[in-house]
Parts: sequence; structure tokens; C-alpha cells
Amino acid sequence: DGGITQSPKYLFRKEGQNVTLSCEQNLNHDAMYWYRQDPGQGLRLIYYSQIVNDFQKGDIAEGYSVSREKKESFPLTVTSAQKNPTAFYLCASTLGGTRTGELFFGEGSRLTVL
Amino acid sequence: GENVEQHPSTLSVQEGDSAVIKCTYSDSASNYFPWYKQELGKRPQLIIDIRSNVGEKKDQRIAVTLNKTAKHFSLHITETQPEDSAVYFCAASGSPNTGGFKTIFGAGTRLFVKA
Repeated sequence: DGGITQSPKYLFRKEGQNVTLSCEQNLNHDAMYWYRQDPGQGLRLIYYSQIVNDFQKGDIAEGYSVSREKKESFPLTVTSAQKNPTAFYLCASTLGGTRTGELFFGEGSRLTVL
Repeated sequence: GENVEQHPSTLSVQEGDSAVIKCTYSDSASNYFPWYKQELGKRPQLIIDIRSNVGEKKDQRIAVTLNKTAKHFSLHITETQPEDSAVYFCAASGSPNTGGFKTIFGAGTRLFVKA
């Protein structure tokens, strides 16, 4: 089945630790995204990548880092510099090309800092 | 920076009534406006979208209207059903000012449909 796979689904972290969330897609999409969702709030853009080896900061990039070494993979690292990392993280992708289209989302990763 | 405002944050309607959710975007160069539905504990999924060269689009009970001059677009759901209860998000993207693929979401509207 084609789709986006995020792992882990649930993750617990101690303060001061870095953690990496995985996002893999087999849809052959060029563009990939990371969003953060807090309870009762919308989707805030952390980072996005339109093509391999290139990515741009979103609105809340501080304390996060990403890489895009392969087309199908866009991992997100939540660093110790992120002051309030407990949240639900959603990865998404879209076909890319000459115009934007539907975003396809993974099932999300819920990070809790203890 | 780019911004999408969405209203209301919560909407409660009686089954069979209509529901309207409104969004305003700040980047006039945006050209793609999707709407996503997120059920509790699930991922957001596209329900309808509209591009800037179209003023209105309809799909069964769902319709979206776009006013480019006012930078405003709306979602209309007619004959609401309990299964329409969810959080709805509007979004804007496609602006060359941000490389074309930066997608910004509104804060969401929690819709309750009372049976």
C-alpha cells in the first residue's frame, strides 16, 4: 500500500534529550512537511522540503532540525533546545512539480517529555 | 508573515442544518485553498479544495467559495449529519513568495452536529 509511515507512534523523552521522529513515504512525492499540533490548536509548520537535499524553515523551526538525504525520508529531530516539545507531530507529503496539491498525512507521533 | 485566520473556533448545529466556516488569508499570491477534516485521533484528510482561477466548487453536500479580492474563502456543509462532527482546517499555499509549497493552516473549527 502506498502511504506515509511515521514512527514511533508514541514516544517519551526525558528533559535534555534529543529525539528523532521518522517519516517515510512511498508515494514518490517530492515535497514533505512536518507540522506540530497542540491540543485544541491548528497545525503549525515546523519545516518543509520541496526537493532532496533542500529544506526551509516553517513558522516554529526553533529547537528542531531536519534532513532530506533521500526522496522518501524526512526525519525530524526534536532537540533539547525546544522548550516545550510535548505535542502531536504530523508528517505530510505532496506530489510537487509545478503546483501544490493535496497533502497526505501520516498517522502522527505523540511525544511526551517527562 | 503568511497567516490564515479561521472562524468560528467551535460550531454546533442541529442535524440537517447547514454549517459555514470562514477563512481569511494574508498572502495575495496564494493560489491553492484546501479543506481538511480531522476526526478524533486520526490524521487530517482532504475533503475539498479550490484553486484561485475558480470562484466556487461543489461536491455533494460540501461546497467551497473563494473571493480573491477579499482574500476570503468559506466551507459550506448542507444537510449536516452526526458523522460530519470533526475538526475542520482550512489552508493556503502556492504562493511564489514562499517557493510555492509552503502550506499554512488555520487554527481549526470544531463542528458538533447534534442528532
